[in-house]
Amino acid sequence: DAKTTQPPSMDCAEGRAANLPCNHSTISGNEYVYWYRQIHSQGPQYIIHGLKNNETNEMASLIITEDRKSSTLILPHATLRDTAVYYCIVRVIGAGSYQLTFGKGTKLSVIP
Amino acid sequence: NAGVTQTPKFRVLKTGQSMTLLCAQDMNHEYMYWYRQDPGMGLRLIHYSVGEGTTAKGEVPDGYNVSRLKKQNFLLGLESAAPSQTSVYFCASSNSGRSTGELFFGEGSRLTVL
Repeated sequence: DAKTTQPPSMDCAEGRAANLPCNHSTISGNEYVYWYRQIHSQGPQYIIHGLKNNETNEMASLIITEDRKSSTLILPHATLRDTAVYYCIVRVIGAGSYQLTFGKGTKLSVIP
Repeated sequence: NAGVTQTPKFRVLKTGQSMTLLCAQDMNHEYMYWYRQDPGMGLRLIHYSVGEGTTAKGEVPDGYNVSRLKKQNFLLGLESAAPSQTSVYFCASSNSGRSTGELFFGEGSRLTVL
């Protein structure tokens, strides 16, 4: 699986949009971009994933650049409960693909 | 729906003792995983299973054994605990690789080896 690069930490004001960047310049054509988050010592929680089109769900939006070398996770109206470590992961989906490789992620602090 | 349940949630061991962590999932998932997480680090895969009766090594398998005798359960064993195995252990499960691949995690088991 391709490697990802994320800033170690970010701050965001409560109620504002949080934009978390991820670089995956070595991503291959069949690799998806996944985002998970981990709220203080809890198990990681799935947020969203995508291949090349932008995606949106009830939690967040995922913007993937046209060349697929980077992406941005957007939390449209950050709340204090969004304070967590956010992991960007790239992986293949399909037979033979069994695991996620977690880096250190970005620690997002939402400030009142 | 309970999802993924880990027991115990906390445990303190002495060096050389053995123990087993139990992971149970009620989502009929094919795949199950054991990860460890050390302070300030991401999760690292210890072992995983792609179906009942099968197991495979992940990134950091040394010092651990696993078994998947039933589809819903995945056991992680430490035969002779060492202080380096002090960590938080997370179990996860997912559908087969042909699905979206979302992993569902348990709440973690905090192990301290003295």
